[in-house]
Amino acid sequence: DGGITQSPKYLFRKEGQNVTLSCEQNLNHDAMYWYRQDPGQGLRLIYYSQIVNDFQKGDIAEGYSVSREKKESFPLTVTSAQKNPTAFYLCASSIEAGNYGYTFGSGTRLTVV
Amino acid sequence: AQSVAQPEDQVNVAEGNPLTVKCTYSVSGNPYLFWYVQYPNRGLQFLLKYITGDNLVKGSYGFEAEFNKSQTSFHLKKPSALVSDSALYFCAVRDTYSSASKIIFGSGTRLSIRP
Repeated sequence: DGGITQSPKYLFRKEGQNVTLSCEQNLNHDAMYWYRQDPGQGLRLIYYSQIVNDFQKGDIAEGYSVSREKKESFPLTVTSAQKNPTAFYLCASSIEAGNYGYTFGSGTRLTVV
Repeated sequence: AQSVAQPEDQVNVAEGNPLTVKCTYSVSGNPYLFWYVQYPNRGLQFLLKYITGDNLVKGSYGFEAEFNKSQTSFHLKKPSALVSDSALYFCAVRDTYSSASKIIFGSGTRLSIRP
């Protein structure tokens, strides 16, 4: 079955550590997105990529980095510069052109310990 | 610029009663409109979308939404609520004016159905 997979489901980070969240899709979608969701909050866009080897900052990119070396993969690194990283992180993908919506992964919950 | 608003943070409905979750939007061109549902600790699931055509769109789990161009609204409805409908609902819009436009999500409405 086609889909989008995020791993791990739960992740714990110590102060000052970088951590990487995985996002893989086998839907042959061109575009991929990372969102952050805080308790009781909506979705805030961190980064997005419309094509391999290219990505754009979203609304809250500071303290995060991404890469898009393969069409299927769009990992997100939460760096030590992100001062409040505890949140639920959602990855999504879409066919870039046309009237399509997004397909979402099941999310990664990151907690700073 | 495109935007979407969900004016209610929470909607409470008794089981068996009809429910409405409100959404209004603003776009430069014609809108593509979406509703998603999120259960605790899960990703967003697609419910339905409006692209063109009939203003009443039917989707998953018995939900439907009515597109109203004059009021720039896309309210989510269900004739008879179930306790299992309790979740967080997001309205979203994509502006067809720009081919490079992204989907913009509303802030979400928490739907609570009491038995």
